[in-house]
Amino acid sequence: EDKVVQSPLSLVVHEGDTVTLNCSYEVTNFRSLLWYKQEKKAPTFLFMLTSSGIEKKSGRLSSILDKKELFSILNITATQTGDSAVYLCAVEPRYSGGGADGLTFGKGTHLIIQP
Amino acid sequence: DAGVIQSPRHEVTEMGQEVTLRCKPISGHDYLFWYRQTMMRGLELLIYFNNNVPIDDSGMPEDRFSAKMPNASFSTLKIQPSEPRDSAVYFCASSLYSEAFFGQGTRLTVV
Repeated sequence: EDKVVQSPLSLVVHEGDTVTLNCSYEVTNFRSLLWYKQEKKAPTFLFMLTSSGIEKKSGRLSSILDKKELFSILNITATQTGDSAVYLCAVEPRYSGGGADGLTFGKGTHLIIQP
Repeated sequence: DAGVIQSPRHEVTEMGQEVTLRCKPISGHDYLFWYRQTMMRGLELLIYFNNNVPIDDSGMPEDRFSAKMPNASFSTLKIQPSEPRDSAVYFCASSLYSEAFFGQGTRLTVV
């Protein structure tokens, strides 16, 4: 059974701090790892990672994947109160037919940025 | 495109009643997923379709749950009969490749 474990479960920091969120996984026949941000409603897509060692970057957010050690990290630098959210990590196995498969999500990291 | 559209946004129903949740995926997306989110279990995949065909329904908790996708622009998730433990937020998502786009969810409360 595919499994995704995120840590920490919750994190409270001050505005301006840098945070690192962790995601470890076990999946049969890995296809991709995805990060989502969930505020009040629907999860919104942040990054998709398929290759080890290649950093994906978007503004103050960045993420990297290690397929040998089966983990990924999401970094947020110079945090702002608007970064407060639940950050979800998900893995996508490769469907036996070669196409996409459903995502298995971790429980998420609840990040709170205090002013 | 308006994104993935789900209805209703909120539903409160009594135990034993039938509940039908609706989803309109993003036009052109050939994958549609139904997820359930609770505090205890997080986001769980219930079932997904590819080109309107159910591919994997192993996440559907019981026979009380059923899902259909009669055409490329519409899917339903039905719970009959509903139970209090079905209370959760139900998300529909669609994708063309790996990145799934989520609807705003239906918050279901079964009393």
